[in-house]
Amino acid sequence: GAGVSQSPSNKVTEKGKDVELRCDPISGHTALYWYRQSLGQGLEFLIYFQGNSAPDKSGLPSDRFSAERTGGSVSTLTIQRTQQEDSAVYLCASSLAYGNYGYTFGSGTRLTVV
Amino acid sequence: RKEVEQDPGPFNVPEGATVAFNCTYSNSASQSFFWYRQDCRKEPKLLMSVYSSGNEDGRFTAQLNRASQYISLLIRDSKLSDSATYLCVVNSGENSGNTPLVFGKGTRLSVIA
Repeated sequence: GAGVSQSPSNKVTEKGKDVELRCDPISGHTALYWYRQSLGQGLEFLIYFQGNSAPDKSGLPSDRFSAERTGGSVSTLTIQRTQQEDSAVYLCASSLAYGNYGYTFGSGTRLTVV
Repeated sequence: RKEVEQDPGPFNVPEGATVAFNCTYSNSASQSFFWYRQDCRKEPKLLMSVYSSGNEDGRFTAQLNRASQYISLLIRDSKLSDSATYLCVVNSGENSGNTPLVFGKGTRLSVIA
């Protein structure tokens, strides 16, 4: 597609429920990244996928968080047993290759856990 | 020490003013540098890459000082539409291909009429 597409744009969920966030990167971009941004804070790296290599999961805050990327394209970020501190904007980005080209971000999913 | 540090601001400047933002990074092995712009409640967007020789794009000039691990962004003739948060971004690691970008928390700019 023309840009990085994320869905849903907003999600309100009850504490303890599981949520799935979706990212559709720019066609042909081999690298895909998930970040999150809490209110008034900077971007926090979560996980990144590069081609067929094993993902770099070093930023995931707990084992309640997981992500997968199917067929080298669409990615889903899953948060199990959501907590209030998970409330944030979850941003997905893609790039042609690695970090030298900069990233294109999607418009994000605003997650609110009540 | 944080990997990327920026003055959070806010910088409140009148239209037409020149404003400069600075950023320091901690990893001397960093190889890629960028400035991103983020409008309120929007996603970050790439403003410009930063090259060792310095580079200019219209009213915007970016410079890199590797010895001091320091990056700057200069905006000349500020416009109201320049009001945003400016994020300093660094790719940390010996192999820039295998590490994600690290974002500073940003410097907020308000251009006032």
